[in-house]
Amino acid sequence: GQSLEQPSEVTAVEGAIVQINCTYQTSGFYGLSWYQQHDGGAPTFLSYNALDGLEETGRFSSFLSRSDSYGYLLLQELQMKDSASYFCAVSTTGGYQKVTFGIGTKLQVIP
Amino acid sequence: DSGVTQTPKHLITATGQRVTLRCSPRSGDLSVYWYQQSLDQGLQFLIQYYNGEERAKGNILERFSAQQFPDLHSELNLSSLELGDSALYFCASSAGGEKLFFGSGTQLSVL
Repeated sequence: GQSLEQPSEVTAVEGAIVQINCTYQTSGFYGLSWYQQHDGGAPTFLSYNALDGLEETGRFSSFLSRSDSYGYLLLQELQMKDSASYFCAVSTTGGYQKVTFGIGTKLQVIP
Repeated sequence: DSGVTQTPKHLITATGQRVTLRCSPRSGDLSVYWYQQSLDQGLQFLIQYYNGEERAKGNILERFSAQQFPDLHSELNLSSLELGDSALYFCASSAGGEKLFFGSGTQLSVL
């Protein structure tokens, strides 16, 4: 099966940088993705890494190390609207890319 | 708007009853995923279909079943409902497993 670990809660100050780590154990790993979910809302896609390295999309960056089964999401210039839950998810090749989510990290941005 | 349509948005029913949740994927997406999210919980993978065929199964109870129709819409059937089945049920669609687009969810309340 698949297992993912990420911190349950993180608090950071507006304007700062925060890193949310994710470690995973799975067979047939294909890629690691990140999703954002505001309270009462649906998850929305942020980024996807299939290869080692850093992917940057605006204020958000995502990193993957396949050899370490580890990735992180980096949020820069934090804004109050970034307060949300962030989920890492692994895609596996079995069953045409099954996507399994972690428990989620609740990020609170404070003034 | 993700392009994924879920109906109904809210469903209130009694224990022992049966309900059907419906999902229409984004135009062109062949994969449909179903997830269950309980209060302050992560997204639990239930089942995935690709072009009408079941491709992956998660921790889906035997009381739950799903199918994907030729027009690619999908239905999740929940029967013999219990109080613990109360949750937010999300459908997501994808062209591949790299990026999932989520519907707004169906909030199920079992009383």
